[in-house]
Amino acid sequence: RKEVEQDPGPFNVPEGATVAFNCTYSNSASQSFFWYRQDCRKEPKLLMSVYSSGNEDGRFTAQLNRASQYISLLIRDSKLSDSATYLCVVNGWNNDMRFGAGTRLTVKP
Amino acid sequence: DGGITQSPKYLFRKEGQNVTLSCEQNLNHDAMYWYRQDPGQGLRLIYYSQIVNDFQKGDIAEGYSVSREKKESFPLTVTSAQKNPTAFYLCASGRGASYEQYFGPGTRLTVT
Repeated sequence: RKEVEQDPGPFNVPEGATVAFNCTYSNSASQSFFWYRQDCRKEPKLLMSVYSSGNEDGRFTAQLNRASQYISLLIRDSKLSDSATYLCVVNGWNNDMRFGAGTRLTVKP
Repeated sequence: DGGITQSPKYLFRKEGQNVTLSCEQNLNHDAMYWYRQDPGQGLRLIYYSQIVNDFQKGDIAEGYSVSREKKESFPLTVTSAQKNPTAFYLCASGRGASYEQYFGPGTRLTVT
């Protein structure tokens, strides 16, 4: 089993839609969780950290479910500019960061 | 401006040659990392360093070497022993093991 698993997608949604991604992790001792965004042929950029109580940043909401070992990212009112690959990141057994393979999102007009 | 720089952006080499990729940061971060990304795949950790003069192997260190003589710099050498060196190489830095990482723009290496 991979340490961090994501649905690869692609998710194709119309503008204005709400879309959610899940990411499962295997290390029950993980304490750090992040979502990154990566545009085609660019470096990943930090989108948001994920806190135990859940957190929101504008149209983006991140949640953590420790019991089931998954984190989620919800995007409301999707924009064309949200089209990208979203990477889930969790600290691993050696306390290094483990990246999921990413979920690709395409928002269409 | 604070940030991470990588150079060059594109690099072409012949098989059998060693090549060194540059990574510099002025964010005063203690930790630095090297990842490799292949088309359609996630990031795989090559080497990381939590402090100057110390570094650890990641999941795919074979065929690579690093040094960390200065806090700001973490160069990666891709040696001729690396079987499939063509890839997108990303350098990152962060405050430490459990903290978010910030990435440089990457170097695309093509070996023929």
